[in-house]
Amino acid sequence: KQEVTQIPAALSVPEGENLVLNCSFTDSAIYNLQWFRQDPGKGLTSLLLIQSSQREQTSGRLNASLDKSSGRSTLYIAASQPGDSATYLCAVSRDNYGQNFVFGPGTRLSVLP
Amino acid sequence: DTAVSQTPKYLVTQMGNDKSIKCEQNLGHDTMYWYKQDSKKFLKIMFSYNNKELIINETVPNRFSPKSPDKAHLNLHINSLELGDSAVYFCASSQDPWVNSTYGYTFGSGTRLTVV
Repeated sequence: KQEVTQIPAALSVPEGENLVLNCSFTDSAIYNLQWFRQDPGKGLTSLLLIQSSQREQTSGRLNASLDKSSGRSTLYIAASQPGDSATYLCAVSRDNYGQNFVFGPGTRLSVLP
Repeated sequence: DTAVSQTPKYLVTQMGNDKSIKCEQNLGHDTMYWYKQDSKKFLKIMFSYNNKELIINETVPNRFSPKSPDKAHLNLHINSLELGDSAVYFCASSQDPWVNSTYGYTFGSGTRLTVV
């Protein structure tokens, strides 16, 4: 059974810092991995998706890497801003249909002005 | 089993038809959602219901209408289906997302809609 963990559970940093969020999964037989953001009272927003054959994806100040063999992914946020404050989740999918997500518990990020 | 269940799992229909996708959760969650997964596998929220009140309504066509007969159900009705509506639609539920982070966030298994 696939299990996804995220470290740290919560993180508070001053504005401008670069930071790294970690995601680990137990079963390397994944199809893809996604990073999501959730803001209070809202649903999930997809940030980055990495296919199992890829090693990283970048979008703006975000960079996500994937090491499938070791069961790890990291989300790097450069020059953090207060608007980045949210909960960040990773989720792995074991098939092409994306209908079997396994989510991590999330990292709650607070960026202080 | 405690879960978010949605039916049908697959739906193939012709353009112009009206169809519904049903979703039920027995987790006692406060909020239910509908997401559309695009061809790139990104999830985009469509609707969110909290205690029978619509609290999120993204810019989706008004051909799509969520219907919530009670706290445990959030159905998605689609009128006059178009080719571009083909996608996977996910139902999900959660506790108050701010209080519990997202640990109680649960997705249904998805409905693959194909419009021909």
